[in-house]
Amino acid sequence: EAAVTQSPRSKVAVTGGKVTLSCHQTNNHDYMYWYRQDTGHGLRLIHYSYVADSTEKGDIPDGYKASRPSQENFSLILELASLSQTAVYFCASSVDRYEQYFGPGTRLTVL
Amino acid sequence: GDSVTQTEGPVTLSEGTSLTVNCSYETKQYPTLFWYVQYPGEGPQLLFKVPKANEKGSNRGFEATYNKEATSFHLQKASVQESDSAVYYCALRGDSGYNKLTFGKGTVLLVSP
Repeated sequence: EAAVTQSPRSKVAVTGGKVTLSCHQTNNHDYMYWYRQDTGHGLRLIHYSYVADSTEKGDIPDGYKASRPSQENFSLILELASLSQTAVYFCASSVDRYEQYFGPGTRLTVL
Repeated sequence: GDSVTQTEGPVTLSEGTSLTVNCSYETKQYPTLFWYVQYPGEGPQLLFKVPKANEKGSNRGFEATYNKEATSFHLQKASVQESDSAVYYCALRGDSGYNKLTFGKGTVLLVSP
């Protein structure tokens, strides 16, 4: 069974602060993704990676950075958190063109 | 770019009634089409996918046919159960690299006993 874990599961941050969301997968998958979920917008791709030490911009990358230090780990970094970044964030992994496996999500609230 | 449009929710049904969630898409590529389901407190999970036009996908009583001419991929179930209450996402993957998915906005389904 595929396994993608995220930490923290919930976080409250202050405007202007730095936030790091972490994702770990034990699937041995090459591809990893970060999405945000908002009511009325569904799931939107922020960043993705197909190999360690390399990341690519998705559809809504502004205000976010990503880091892939190893095949198993993929982080999403908000250098200066803003109110508009309050959302639920999902990490996913996949093997090439096969199914994406999602983690349980991180609920981020920026105050 | 690619886009997916699906039924706006919430869709509220009684157990035993039929379900249709409309999904239409736009792409210049030859897509693979997906339906994902998200239960409360969980991440989305694949319901089924259809890689080829005019073929049908199905799982857990849900089904959808990839209609290339109409650019549609409507989700149907003949008789819903309370346990089907969830958010349903239609998605497409173009034939370019990186396995990038484009999702619709999701449809909330609420089934009452």
